[in-house]
Amino acid sequence: GENVEQHPSTLSVQEGDSAVIKCTYSDSASNYFPWYKQELGKRPQLIIDIRSNVGEKKDQRIAVTLNKTAKHFSLHITETQPEDSAVYFCAASRWDSNYQLIWGAGTKLIIKP
Amino acid sequence: EAQVTQNPRYLITVTGKKLTVTCSQNMNHEYMSWYRQDPGLGLRQIYYSMNVEVTDKGDVPEGYKVSRKEKRNFPLILESPSPNQTSLYFCASSTGQDAYEQYFGPGTRLTVT
Repeated sequence: GENVEQHPSTLSVQEGDSAVIKCTYSDSASNYFPWYKQELGKRPQLIIDIRSNVGEKKDQRIAVTLNKTAKHFSLHITETQPEDSAVYFCAASRWDSNYQLIWGAGTKLIIKP
Repeated sequence: EAQVTQNPRYLITVTGKKLTVTCSQNMNHEYMSWYRQDPGLGLRQIYYSMNVEVTDKGDVPEGYKVSRKEKRNFPLILESPSPNQTSLYFCASSTGQDAYEQYFGPGTRLTVT
């Protein structure tokens, strides 16, 4: 079955710098890759997603890139701000598995003032 | 307001005492799911339901039961809770069509002593 690995487990960056979180997946048939953000004590919320027919997607300061050949995808956050501090989860799924999400273990992003 | 609700939000119980965590959504979503979240392990799916009277096991179903008698409700039942079921539980729902965003409930913090 699908397996998703996420790195790093903790990432500390200076405010204003960029942050990159990487995930790899094992099932080449996976075709949907969302990223969720979970602030302390809150529920996970979708921040961006990408499908396998697209290589990159941007939404203001966040972007996701997908390399199907290497089976990895990354979340990029530019000009980081204190409110970006949270745990970020990647996930992968495929259309013929009812889009069951297989989750990465999460990355705790710390923005240093 | 479109939302997923869970009750109770916090629960401390003893080993073997049956409990139910309720989950309800008002978005007419077909798909509902239960996850548990443990430090370092990310989100692990317990059970999911594609529609009324249709449920299936996720990655960690042992010790849990679910039912889906109505579209809006998806209760999680622990018939004989054990300390290893101490965790943070999230219910989620989505439209279930194509690749989709999952909307999470606020979470239930369960402690089994």
